[in-house]
Amino acid sequence: QSVLTQPPSVSAAPGQKVTISCSGSSSNIGNNYVSWYQQLPGTAPKLLIYDNNKRPSGIPDRFSGSKSGTSATLGITGLQTGDEADYYCGTWDSSLSANWVFGGGTKLTVL
Amino acid sequence: EVQLVESGGGLVQPGGSLRLSCAASGFTFSSYWMSWVRQAPGKGLEWVANIKQDGSEKYYVDSVKGRFTISRDNAKNSLYLQMNSLRAEDTAVYYCARGFGCSGGSCYLFFDYWGQGTLVTVSS
Repeated sequence: QSVLTQPPSVSAAPGQKVTISCSGSSSNIGNNYVSWYQQLPGTAPKLLIYDNNKRPSGIPDRFSGSKSGTSATLGITGLQTGDEADYYCGTWDSSLSANWVFGGGTKLTVL
Repeated sequence: EVQLVESGGGLVQPGGSLRLSCAASGFTFSSYWMSWVRQAPGKGLEWVANIKQDGSEKYYVDSVKGRFTISRDNAKNSLYLQMNSLRAEDTAVYYCARGFGCSGGSCYLFFDYWGQGTLVTVSS
C-alpha cells in the first residue's frame, strides 16, 4: 500500500488528453513539492515534472503538472502511442518515518 | 552528458551480502545528494536510501535500516550500497539516481537522472 494513491490505469485515444491523479496528505504532498516520472517498458524512470509544475529541458509542453492541497495531477495532451508507459508521482514525506515516497504508479494505455 | 552506471547485481542466497556500485560522470558528483531506488519485479518504485554531498547525512527506508549502508567516494565519483542479511523481498532492480535532499537551505526534491539499473535476485 503506497503512501501516495494513484489510479492503477488510465486510457485514452491518440490525440486526446488524459490526467493522472496523485493523492496524499499534509505530511507529504500538502507541504512539499511533487515530481512525476515516466517509465517506458523495460527502461529506467525519467523525470517529467519537478517542483509541482516545472518541466526539465527537453520535456515537451504536452506534459504539465499541478497541485492543490494534498493532491497533484499530471496532464498529458495530444496523446501519442509513444506515451504508453507507467507514470509515478513522488514527494518528500516529513512524517516520523521521513523520507521519499512514490505513488503506486499508473499504467497509461493509448488506445 | 550526465551518466550513471550501476554494477554489482546478481544472484545471492538469503542472508547473503552484495555491494552495488554506481559510477557517475558528466557532472560535479560531489555537489549532489545521491540515492538508491529499487523496483521489485512487476511492482512500483521504492526509495531505498540517500546520502548528502559530503557523506555526513544518510537516510534509509525502514525496511532496510540496519542491513543496508549507503556510501560514496567523491574522489572516484562513485556511489555504493552495501547490502547485508538479504531477504527474498529485497529482490529488485536497483537504480542509482541523482537527488534528493536539502543543503544550506536549498532543496533538490526530485531525481533528475537515473542509471539503467542492476538486478539483485535473492533466492536459494
